[in-house]
Amino acid sequence: EAQVTQNPRYLITVTGKKLTVTCSQNMNHEYMSWYRQDPGLGLRQIYYSMNVEVTDKGDVPEGYKVSRKEKRNFPLILESPSPNQTSLYFCASSFRDRGREQYFGPGTRLTVT
Amino acid sequence: AQRVTQPEKLLSVFKGAPVELKCNYSYSGSPELFWYVQYSRQRLQLLLRHISRESIKGFTADLNKGETSFHLKKPFAQEEDSAMYYCALDGQGFSFIFGKGTRLLVKP
Repeated sequence: EAQVTQNPRYLITVTGKKLTVTCSQNMNHEYMSWYRQDPGLGLRQIYYSMNVEVTDKGDVPEGYKVSRKEKRNFPLILESPSPNQTSLYFCASSFRDRGREQYFGPGTRLTVT
Repeated sequence: AQRVTQPEKLLSVFKGAPVELKCNYSYSGSPELFWYVQYSRQRLQLLLRHISRESIKGFTADLNKGETSFHLKKPFAQEEDSAMYYCALDGQGFSFIFGKGTRLLVKP
């Protein structure tokens, strides 16, 4: 089944403890992206990747890192999480053409205390 | 600057009534616009996109470059249409911009 998977789905952690949220897709998509969803703010793009080893900042990249070593994986790294990074995170993937449909993962709910 | 504006946080209508979810954009260039929908406890999914000019689940959206709008319309709302709707723009480079979303509530 074609899909985007994220792990973990739920995570509660403490300030400053490094964490990684994994994202994987099996559709051979070149483009992958991370978003955070907050009430009243909608979805905001954190980082995106056009292909392996090519990444760029979205609207809210501060406090996050990404890497794209393989086409199918695009992990999101929080080196020193803070409470303002408590949010619902979505990974998405698509082909690179304009007008492309993005396929979303199920979301990861992160709470930083 | 590239921006997507959805002026309504919540739109409440009765079943069978017409629905119009507003979306305005700011973009220098030829825009590619989308509507995504998020049903309760489900992941975001594409509803329709400007490039396809399609009608999905009775919804349509027309790009009006003069008014920089891409409003989503449906002539007769159904209860199963209740969801969160996001307008989105394929931005410069490979960025992707979402609006803040409009929650549609269709009452019986």
